[in-house]
Amino acid sequence: AQSVTQLDSQVPVFEEAPVELRCNYSSSVSVYLFWYVQYPNQGLQLLLKYLSGSTLVESINGFEAEFNKSQTSFHLRKPSVHISDTAEYFCAVSGGNQGGKLIFGQGTELSVKP
Amino acid sequence: DVKVTQSSRYLVKRTGEKVFLECVQDMDHENMFWYRQDPGLGLRLIYFSYDVKMKEKGDIPEGYSVSREKKERFSLILESASTNQTSMYLCASSLSRANGYTFGSGTRLTVV
Repeated sequence: AQSVTQLDSQVPVFEEAPVELRCNYSSSVSVYLFWYVQYPNQGLQLLLKYLSGSTLVESINGFEAEFNKSQTSFHLRKPSVHISDTAEYFCAVSGGNQGGKLIFGQGTELSVKP
Repeated sequence: DVKVTQSSRYLVKRTGEKVFLECVQDMDHENMFWYRQDPGLGLRLIYFSYDVKMKEKGDIPEGYSVSREKKERFSLILESASTNQTSMYLCASSLSRANGYTFGSGTRLTVV
């Protein structure tokens, strides 16, 4: 079975500071990996994804994530956060034996303070 | 712009009522999913469907059923609502494993 663990439930940071949201997964097959963001009172939006190729993937708003197969991790990073980045972030994995289903982590609440 | 539309943002229902949550997508996706979201538990899969009239149980199907009579519509049914079904319900659709999901805005259901 596959699983996803987000190591921090809450991450408070000050504006313009760097941030890392940690995600580890377990799977016996090759996977696709995703990060989603959920702003208050909204549904989830796709932030970025890893399918294959370069292990570093980027989003349009400055986030990046690196796929590390040996450590089974897919941590999300941003070098300088803004107030508007305050949201909940979910890591998800899709493996070959799960069809199109995604398995989600428990979420990390990022709170950016001025 | 592609969309997944959930019919209600907020619902309040009484214990024992039969509740219908509707989800419609306009992207011609074959795959549709229902999750519930609770603090500290993340998203848990209730039911999913890979085709019209097809359904499969997710991780927490007890107390729920689904209907998919048309490709674009996937309904979640609470047969007899209970207070422990108070939650945020999220519908999603997917074209393929590599595309990930497109989510609706969610329905926050309160059962009193």
